[in-house]
This record gives sequence, C-alpha cells and structure tokens, in this order.
Amino acid sequence: GAVVSQHPSWVICKSGTSVKIECRSLDFQATTMFWYRQFPKQSLMLMATSNEGSKATYEQGVEKDKFLINHASLTLSTLTVTSAHPEDSSFYICSAPRALAGVSGANVLTFGAGSRLTVL
Amino acid sequence: AQSVTQLDSHVSVSEGTPVLLRCNYSSSYSPSLFWYVQHPNKGLQLLLKYTSAATLVKGINGFEAEFKKSETSFHLTKPSAHMSDAAEYFCVVGGSQGNLIFGKGTKLSVKP
Repeated sequence: GAVVSQHPSWVICKSGTSVKIECRSLDFQATTMFWYRQFPKQSLMLMATSNEGSKATYEQGVEKDKFLINHASLTLSTLTVTSAHPEDSSFYICSAPRALAGVSGANVLTFGAGSRLTVL
Repeated sequence: AQSVTQLDSHVSVSEGTPVLLRCNYSSSYSPSLFWYVQHPNKGLQLLLKYTSAATLVKGINGFEAEFKKSETSFHLTKPSAHMSDAAEYFCVVGGSQGNLIFGKGTKLSVKP
C-alpha cells in the first residue's frame, strides 16, 4: 500500500541549530503534503500545507521564517526548524493525500511515522 | 510494538442511518486510543480519546467509541449520520515513546 517515509524519527540538537525533517511518498505522487505538530497532551495542530512548485500555506500563528517548508518534487517535502529552541521540542508528523482506489475523486491521507525533536 | 488497523478504507451510509467505523489495535500494554477526523482542506480534529477510564467514550458531534480489550477493538459509532459527517476518520494509538501511530484512515461518505 501507499507509504509516506518520514526521516528522521528521532533527532536531538543543540539550541540555535537547524533541523531538517523529510517526508517522501514512496509509491505515489504527492502534490500536497500537510505538516502537523503535537504539543504534549494535546491534539495535533496543522502547521502548514506544502504544495509542489509553489509556496507553502501556513496556518495562523505559525512562523514562516521559523518553520521553512520546501516541496521540492512530487515525492518530497521538507520541514526545516531554523534556529531551534527548547520550546520547539515536539512531535512533528506529515501526511499526504492519495487517490482512494475505486472511488472517483476521493482522497485518503497517508501519514508518516512522525519525528520527535528534542532541542537541548 | 503498537499498531492499528482500520478495517475499511471507505464506508458509505445514508443520512439518518447508523455509522460504524472499525478499528483494531495491537499493544503490549494498556493503550491510549484516539479517533481523529479530517474534513476536506482542514486540519485534524480530535473526536474522542480513551485513556483507561470508562470503556465507552463519548466524543463530539454525537460520536462514541467503545474500548473492548478482549477484542482489541475501538470501533467508532454514531446513531444517525449527518451530511456534515462526511470526512476522513483516523484511528490512532499512542506509542510507547510518546508518538502517535495512525491507521490508514476510513473515508466516510454520507448519501442524502
């Protein structure tokens, strides 16, 4: 079945450094990818929607310069946390819609496994 | 290791009829279980969650889910479907490392 590969699953970095998280759709093309963040004991929050070939759409309150999103190809979207600080420590997860077999015009979301970022 | 299986990729019901979205989980310990909903072009919304309290969990919009340990199931139900319920639903189990493990999703269609 369709797979979204997210890497790295775990990352620990020093404050002030930048961290890149990749999401790849392995057997389907993803013109759109969604990036979420989960705060402790809270639900997932949509951060932004990346679109291949154009700028990402950020949700209200999400800093564009802090969370750089690049949708380089139809199978790769990246999230870069720039100048990371301890408050950026969180669980980040991506998802991509894919066509639902047998149902015209319908899409389903396929999620990556998530990336846990710890900023020291 | 934890895992979650949503048994149907697509469910279609008529408005006013019951909804049943099936989910089975695998976990080596008492899991945290969630149901999320995503409407078109919107972010995920938490419907309900189970965290080892009452086995019947009530959520928003009339949805509820029952945790059945003997069946390792956490099926989502609603007595009467509404057109606005058409969306994608995800069964999620909390991983041992604080992450979330998502099922593949079930697309719910509601016919008038």
